[in-house]
Amino acid sequence: RKEVEQDPGPFNVPEGATVAFNCTYSNSASQSFFWYRQDCRKEPKLLMSVYSSGNEDGRFTAQLNRASQYISLLIRDSKLSDSATYLCVVNMGNTDKLIFGTGTRLQVFP
Amino acid sequence: DVKVTQSSRYLVKRTGEKVFLECVQDMDHENMFWYRQDPGLGLRLIYFSYDVKMKEKGDIPEGYSVSREKKERFSLILESASTNQTSMYLCASSFARGYNSPLHFGNGTRLTVT
Repeated sequence: RKEVEQDPGPFNVPEGATVAFNCTYSNSASQSFFWYRQDCRKEPKLLMSVYSSGNEDGRFTAQLNRASQYISLLIRDSKLSDSATYLCVVNMGNTDKLIFGTGTRLQVFP
Repeated sequence: DVKVTQSSRYLVKRTGEKVFLECVQDMDHENMFWYRQDPGLGLRLIYFSYDVKMKEKGDIPEGYSVSREKKERFSLILESASTNQTSMYLCASSFARGYNSPLHFGNGTRLTVT
């Protein structure tokens, strides 16, 4: 089983839609969770950290489910500019080494 | 805002050449990392450093070495470039060891080895 797994997509959604991505991780001792966004041929950029109680930043909501070992990202009211690849990042067990998922591609169409 | 600068956006080198990729960060971060990113494989960690003159191997160190003589600068060296090292190379830094210290990336170097 991969340490961090994501559905590669693509997710094709119309503007204004709500879309959710999940990411599963294999090590129950993991403590750090992040979502990054990566545009085509650009570097990954931090979108948000994921906290135990869940957190929201504008149209973006991140959740952590420790029992089932997954994190999720919900995007409400999708914009064309949300089109990108979303990377899930988790630390490896009791270390601070970060493991990246291979990403979920989102395409928002008019 | 954190700035991580990689010296080149695009590089073309020949097989067997020694290649230097330079990375500088301006936020006094302790940790620096080198990743490569390939389609379908995601980001893979090559080397990292938690302090000056310190280095540790990541998941795929073969064919690479690194140098960290100053806190703000972390160099990746391809001793003898090969075609399977054609990739996007990403440098990153983070504030300190410990949980919830996210990575900040440079804008990448796309290396082609012919």
